[in-house]
Amino acid sequence: AQSVTQLGSHVSVSEGALVLLRCNYSSSVPPYLFWYVQYPNQGLQLLLKYTTGATLVKGINGFEAEFKKSETSFHLTKPSAHMSDAAEYFCAVSDRDTNAGKSTFGDGTTLTVKP
Amino acid sequence: DTEVTQTPKHLVMGMTNKKSLKCEQHMGHRAMYWYKQKAKKPPELMFVYSYEKLSINESVPSRFSPECPNSSLLNLHLHALQPEDSALYLCASSQGDTDNQPQHFGDGTRLSIL
Repeated sequence: AQSVTQLGSHVSVSEGALVLLRCNYSSSVPPYLFWYVQYPNQGLQLLLKYTTGATLVKGINGFEAEFKKSETSFHLTKPSAHMSDAAEYFCAVSDRDTNAGKSTFGDGTTLTVKP
Repeated sequence: DTEVTQTPKHLVMGMTNKKSLKCEQHMGHRAMYWYKQKAKKPPELMFVYSYEKLSINESVPSRFSPECPNSSLLNLHLHALQPEDSALYLCASSQGDTDNQPQHFGDGTRLSIL
């Protein structure tokens, strides 16, 4: 069984400030982890993924995330927020024991960027 | 622009109507998915097709009927829907059906049931 908890349903930052979106997971086996972004009236777009190997993963649009097994976390960060980063962000987990292609999504975090 | 194309973008239908949602991808992906998404909620998985065969049905009511005519196309046939079925319906595809493959999403069909 697997689950995802995104801490903070709403995060607000000023333009240029650090973005930190939190994701904790639960999985009985080593997980695969994903961050997706959803802009208004659009589908989800992959930001980055962790499968194996290097625990610091770099994604698109300047985002990165670090897999920390000891903390069961996969927090998403960006050094400097831009107005265009305002969107809904979903963390997702799948593991090697689940039915193929089945990911579990967190409830999402709405990121607001203030000018 | 997304690589997964969904039509129509918007659909309004009555509870007695029959309509279909369409999804197309030309990335050579062999797994395709239907999700339902309510406002401010994560996507809920409905169906998974792997190599054109239905592999997962998340106990979806029979008023939703998926179809995969070929590896590039995925349809969702709708009949006798209820008002609570109003939502954004997202199609996605992935390279294979292993769990380390990210999904590519279309922009969805916004469905309203009168």
